[in-house]
Amino acid sequence: GENVEQHPSTLSVQEGDSAVIKCTYSDSASNYFPWYKQELGKRPQLIIDIRSNVGEKKDQRIAVTLNKTAKHFSLHITETQPEDSAVYFCAAYGAAGNKLTFGGGTRVLVKP
Amino acid sequence: EAGVAQSPRYKIIEKRQSVAFWCNPISGHATLYWYQQILGQGPKLLIQFQNNGVVDDSQLPKDRFSAERLKGVDSTLKIQPAKLEDSAVYLCASSPSQETQYFGPGTRLLVL
Repeated sequence: GENVEQHPSTLSVQEGDSAVIKCTYSDSASNYFPWYKQELGKRPQLIIDIRSNVGEKKDQRIAVTLNKTAKHFSLHITETQPEDSAVYFCAAYGAAGNKLTFGGGTRVLVKP
Repeated sequence: EAGVAQSPRYKIIEKRQSVAFWCNPISGHATLYWYQQILGQGPKLLIQFQNNGVVDDSQLPKDRFSAERLKGVDSTLKIQPAKLEDSAVYLCASSPSQETQYFGPGTRLLVL
């Protein structure tokens, strides 16, 4: 089945700096890659997603890039703010299993 | 648009007791998922329903966990009997397309 690895597990950045989270996946047939943000004690919320026919997608301060050949995708947050502090999860939707497989999560702390 | 609803939000039980969780998906979403999220980890899929049929329950511990979605809308997840290692947040999600998933607030279970 699909395996998704996420790095780093924790990330501390200064307010205003950029944050980058990287994920790799194993199933070359995976075709949909969402990113979720989960604040403490709250539900995971979809913040951005990308499909396999697109290499990059941007939404205000967040962007996602996908390298299908290398089977990795990344989340980029620019001009970080304290409210960006949360746990971020990547996921891959595997065509073979028809299900989302999540990475282990990255705890992001933005220091004011 | 109303989100995914779950109840109860918190539950504390002793080991070997039974517990049930309820989920009401977003109106019109045919696909419903139950995930288990252990502290510090990403959500792990337990079971996926398409309308009232089970699509994937390969990671559901069927000796103690059961789930149903009788009328293709609401769903219940039951644990009987509970073990200490079942302490986790149980997340319900729904999707219109089997890809983009929207999560409920979760039920935090503590087994003593």
